[in-house]
Amino acid sequence: EIVLTQSPATLSLSPGERATLSCRASQSVSSYLAWYQQKPGQSPRLLIYDASNRATGIPARFSGSGSGTDFTLTISSLEPDDFAVYYCQQRSNSMYTFGQGTKLEIK
Amino acid sequence: EVQLLESGGGLVQPGGSLRLSCAASGFTFSNYAMSWVRQAPGKGLEWVSGISGGASGTYYADSVKGRFTISRDNSKNTLYLQMNSLRAEDTAFYYCAKKWSGGDSCGFDYWGQGTLLTVSS
Repeated sequence: EIVLTQSPATLSLSPGERATLSCRASQSVSSYLAWYQQKPGQSPRLLIYDASNRATGIPARFSGSGSGTDFTLTISSLEPDDFAVYYCQQRSNSMYTFGQGTKLEIK
Repeated sequence: EVQLLESGGGLVQPGGSLRLSCAASGFTFSNYAMSWVRQAPGKGLEWVSGISGGASGTYYADSVKGRFTISRDNSKNTLYLQMNSLRAEDTAFYYCAKKWSGGDSCGFDYWGQGTLLTVSS
């Protein structure tokens, strides 16, 4: 099973700052990596698919990069609505795993 | 508008069985792989099982293999998860999710609101 490790576990930033979230895979997943945002009491929301493609309706301040084992989600300038938990997800042989999540909190 | 509506959750005793359903609308259901993802209260996401659009391929996390069975009825636009030999650690919200693309990719673009399974005596 491919393990995804997200860092940091918690990120404390202020609105307007840049956020950089990391996701590392235990072995290569090529570009089969997605990012999700989840707020309390809500279902996850797809932000990025296939490592670097923004999903429909996702603002341009969200960007994804990386391939192989190291991936990054960047939020260029944080809005108040962006404070949430973020998960990465990989796909290998039609099976998936999620990272443990990064909580982005207001400083 | 794409909608996914789960049902069937509830309270079950350890060792018991339950079947979850997910009614889909707003897209051509048979063209897309679907998955079940669960989330224990206050915890992270765990992929549970997936099925191809035509139901020829089914896939399971190790934690549920041999106990859970995923299926779909494309004539009814409905996804199912039959859960047997339930354990306390299966307690979670269960979401159904649609793969964003019919092709080779990673990402679930639509999720249901979730249904809560509680396994307890």
